[in-house]
Formats: sequence, C-alpha cells, structure tokens
Amino acid sequence: SQQGEEDPQALSIQEGENATMNCSYKTSINNLQWYRQNSGRGLVHLILIRSNEREKHSGRLRVTLDTSKKSSSLLITASRAADTASYFCATDEDSWGKLQFGAGTQVVVTP
Amino acid sequence: SAVISQKPSRDICQRGTSLTIQCQVDSQVTMMFWYRQQPGQSLTLIATANQGSEATYESGFVIDKFPISRPNLTFSTLTVSNMSPEDSSIYLCSVNRDQTYFGPGTRLLVL
Repeated sequence: SQQGEEDPQALSIQEGENATMNCSYKTSINNLQWYRQNSGRGLVHLILIRSNEREKHSGRLRVTLDTSKKSSSLLITASRAADTASYFCATDEDSWGKLQFGAGTQVVVTP
Repeated sequence: SAVISQKPSRDICQRGTSLTIQCQVDSQVTMMFWYRQQPGQSLTLIATANQGSEATYESGFVIDKFPISRPNLTFSTLTVSNMSPEDSSIYLCSVNRDQTYFGPGTRLLVL
C-alpha cells in the first residue's frame, strides 16, 4: 500500500522556471526521502530529510518537512530540460529502510 | 554507500512460468527489501527479507506467489511464480545504510 499522496500528478513548465511538488503522508515517520526516475529507469536518490529537520538544500533542490501537517515539498529552482522525470516521495517510519512511496509527480520541462 | 546488482536486467516470459530474480549487495546488510513497480505506477513494497528467517510480506503479497530466499547477508532472490501478464513490472531490491539504495531493477514482461 502507498503511504502518501503527491500533487500535482503532472507538472509542465519551461526551462528556468521553478517546480514545486507536494507530498502528504499518514503516519509518523523517521525520515522522508525524495527520488527521481527518468523514463522507467533506475531510481536516483535526491534528498533525505529527518523528522527533526524542517528544511534541507542540495544544489537546486530544496525540501521542506512539516510533521504537524504530515507533508513535505520539493522545490526545483531554475529547472532544466534534464529535470524532466518522475519524482517520488517515500517515507520511512523507523529508519530501517522500509519505504512507502507516494504516487509520484511527472515533471516535464520544455526548452 | 552500497552497490547493488540485479539479474536478470530484463526478461520476457510466458504465462504460467516462474522467474527468479537475484539481488547482490557489495557488503553485508541486515535487511533487504523487494519492490514492484507496475507500468506507469509508483513503487510498492512486496516484502522484507532477513537472513535466517522467513520474509515478511506486505498486504496483498503472499509467499506462494513471491517466494523469497535470503541465504546470506549479501544476497537475496525473489521468485515470481505462475506468472500472468499482470505481473509485468519492474522489480527492484533495496538496502539501507545511511540512506536507501536501490538496485537497477529487473524489467519483466509476461506474455
């Protein structure tokens, strides 16, 4: 079963714009992770944010976590065509690595 | 970090047959996880494999359909039994260290 919902389901933007996607989950968590997947290929780990953290940055990526609302957001700034992919959030309740994935957001960045 | 390999990378199988997927990790881990990603969908956890004990299956997955072996701390197999076209998916294994690492996946098509 899937832990969370992601919105939007799909997002189409132009290069240079920012892309924001949201993830909501249902149970308490130890950490939340964001992944990228290009065209059904392998998963690329983007960021892990722990339950006691509120914000994390990695390059052009910014992730926030609000445990009171059970939600997280991923912001991609100054998007590029290479950012075209599906993005998934995944929650880990106890840090063992047993993940529950959201439905994913499909992002298309046009030149 | 962790380096994970899976075999086969892809296969085309006839309905009613079985396929065993192998997952090899470059160093010892306590738990290994198996996921399924159906076409156009997110990842769903199938089961958790511990060395020396039976796998723990998630709701909707049963041992008769997806038997799992975990003979040592670096290796696991997942068998997809009595396959039907609905089993056409990508199957991925993962392990947890400082973050979760995924294998490249096995792309299965059942005709």
